[in-house]
Amino acid sequence: EIVLTQSPGTLSLSPGERATLSCRASQSVSNNYLAWYQQKPGQAPRLLIYVASRRATGIPDRFSGSGSGTDFTLTISRLEPEDFVVYYCQQSGSSPLTFGGGTKVEIK
Amino acid sequence: EVQLLESGGGLVQPGGSLRLSCAASGFTFNNYAMSWVRQAPGKGLEWVSAISGSGAFTYYADSVKGRFIISRDESSNTLFLQMNSLGAEDTAIYYCAKSWAGAKSWFDFWGRGTLVTVSS
Repeated sequence: EIVLTQSPGTLSLSPGERATLSCRASQSVSNNYLAWYQQKPGQAPRLLIYVASRRATGIPDRFSGSGSGTDFTLTISRLEPEDFVVYYCQQSGSSPLTFGGGTKVEIK
Repeated sequence: EVQLLESGGGLVQPGGSLRLSCAASGFTFNNYAMSWVRQAPGKGLEWVSAISGSGAFTYYADSVKGRFIISRDESSNTLFLQMNSLGAEDTAIYYCAKSWAGAKSWFDFWGRGTLVTVSS
């Protein structure tokens, strides 16, 4: 099973700042099948990024993904007030599908 | 518009059973694999089970293998999860999620979830 480790657990930033979230895999993710989700309180997760760097439909271009192999990054170029929530990475390169533990982006 | 609506959650005693449903609309149901993903209160996401678009192939997390059964009904565009021998560790919000393509995929649409509480 591929274990995904997200860091930091909590990221304290101000609106307008740049956020860099990390997702590290215990082994290489096949085909870079790494996705990122955003989850707001009381809501279901929403797909942001898939195959490491492809933006999902309707996702603002301030969200971008990068990385390959075992190291992946989600970058939010300029934080908007609605971006201060929790983010998860997920790999689907091998079974079982696994998620990272999440990174909470909070207002500093 | 893709819509996924879960139902069937509730309070169940340890050792009991529950059947979850997920009504799908807005896409060609049998063209896509579907999954159940759960989230324990205040915790992260855990993939539970997946089923191929045809229903011929099913996949389970080790934590539920032998206790849960995933199935789908094309005539009603509904996904199911039969949960047996439930324990406190199964308490969670259960989300129905549509796979981008095959069962080993990311999820492009999610339902709002249904809460399962296992307690005496």
